[in-house]
Amino acid sequence: DAKTTQPPSMDCAEGRAANLPCNHSTISGNEYVYWYRQIHSQGPQYIIHGLKNNETNEMASLIITEDRKSSTLILPHATLRDTAVYYCIVGNAGNMLTFGGGTRLMVKP
Amino acid sequence: DGGITQSPKYLFRKEGQNVTLSCEQNLNHDAMYWYRQDPGQGLRLIYYSQIVNDFQKGDIAEGYSVSREKKESFPLTVTSAQKNPTAFYLCASSIYLGPASGANVLTFGAGSRLTVL
Repeated sequence: DAKTTQPPSMDCAEGRAANLPCNHSTISGNEYVYWYRQIHSQGPQYIIHGLKNNETNEMASLIITEDRKSSTLILPHATLRDTAVYYCIVGNAGNMLTFGGGTRLMVKP
Repeated sequence: DGGITQSPKYLFRKEGQNVTLSCEQNLNHDAMYWYRQDPGQGLRLIYYSQIVNDFQKGDIAEGYSVSREKKESFPLTVTSAQKNPTAFYLCASSIYLGPASGANVLTFGAGSRLTVL
């Protein structure tokens, strides 16, 4: 059963912010939200994760709603190299992470 | 550099043959995982191991087998019982601190692409 819902595809102009949404309405209190991305024919790459608070690192920002039922991954200045499939996953150390279909982000010049 | 090495990157086999995919990590991670990815699809969990000499079935374990004799190694065998083995196989690892420990960040290898002729 899918634990997250993401749009299948999105476009973004190069240099603009890419905002990728994710719904996880059945998330449990101890489950984290993780984001990974996969460039074609490579292994997924970890981006960021969070529990309740918003998080930021050198790659992206993660905004989690107060009720934790949805989140948004923000790539502040998208480049062509950010074109990839982005996976939003929920889980904790006690359950194995399940990867759904993700969002295919196309960054255009 | 620490990381996960999968080999071979590409593998071609005839139908009915068993094949073994290698996964080695030097990250000192306790847990290791095998996922399968079909074209245009997400990742599905085949097997995982949280500790040496122990492993559990994932969502699609039928037709696959694994072993975990060393912390660094988690080979996957695709047996002849797997009806549609052509796929992209991904190995991952993580630090496993127990079910109540919180976050579980996976590090992935580059993948092995298996084609059955």
